[in-house]
Amino acid sequence: QSVLTQPPSASGTPGQRVTISCSGSSSNIGSNTVNWYQQLPGTAPKLLIHSNNQRPSGVPDRFSGSKSGTSASLAISGLQSEDEADYFCAAWDDSLNGYVFGTGTKVTVL
Amino acid sequence: QVQLVQSGAEVKKPGASVKVSCKASGYTFIGYYMHWVRQAPGQGLEWMGWINPDSGGTNYAQKFQGRVTMTRDTSIRTAYMELSRLRSDDTAVYYCARVEGNSSDNWGQGTRVTVSS
Repeated sequence: QSVLTQPPSASGTPGQRVTISCSGSSSNIGSNTVNWYQQLPGTAPKLLIHSNNQRPSGVPDRFSGSKSGTSASLAISGLQSEDEADYFCAAWDDSLNGYVFGTGTKVTVL
Repeated sequence: QVQLVQSGAEVKKPGASVKVSCKASGYTFIGYYMHWVRQAPGQGLEWMGWINPDSGGTNYAQKFQGRVTMTRDTSIRTAYMELSRLRSDDTAVYYCARVEGNSSDNWGQGTRVTVSS
């Protein structure tokens, strides 16, 4: 159902750097900007990164985004226990004329 | 501050309809589109469509066309999402989310809809 593919899980110890990939196609990531959302357990998603690499006010600079071609990545540096959450990428899809989300990645802090 | 407050949980029988509301405050309601997104238990996020609160124009995901209706009442700054002919696989948490640029910068708290006979 999801047209953007993410690894189902990622993990790291406190202080480590974790990277999450998001693979799409020319009709979504390849031609539109990518957003990232963080969803803590039992809560609504929260915008983490917009326009490929822009952090909304209040989001720590430990979070960074990048995009290349039809793929995007989210990096979390200096991993903290409160970063344990689900992360979703998203982009507009010109072929579907709709907004598409990634499959989601669960980040675990060991 | 921007707030989106959604209506409470619903339990519906298969074949029925559900209407979820999303009351906005803290910003100019007609100035921002509104997405509706759902999340089935243990699953990912699924975009259902958007509404332009100013014009009432809508854009629905193909999967939901014919079953979903998004409306708004600008006098009370509220957006609505109605889903008809409910099935068990419509059981999910439904979110409204304000659109800023091409992202959703503020989300409602979610409304749990359970479809069960």
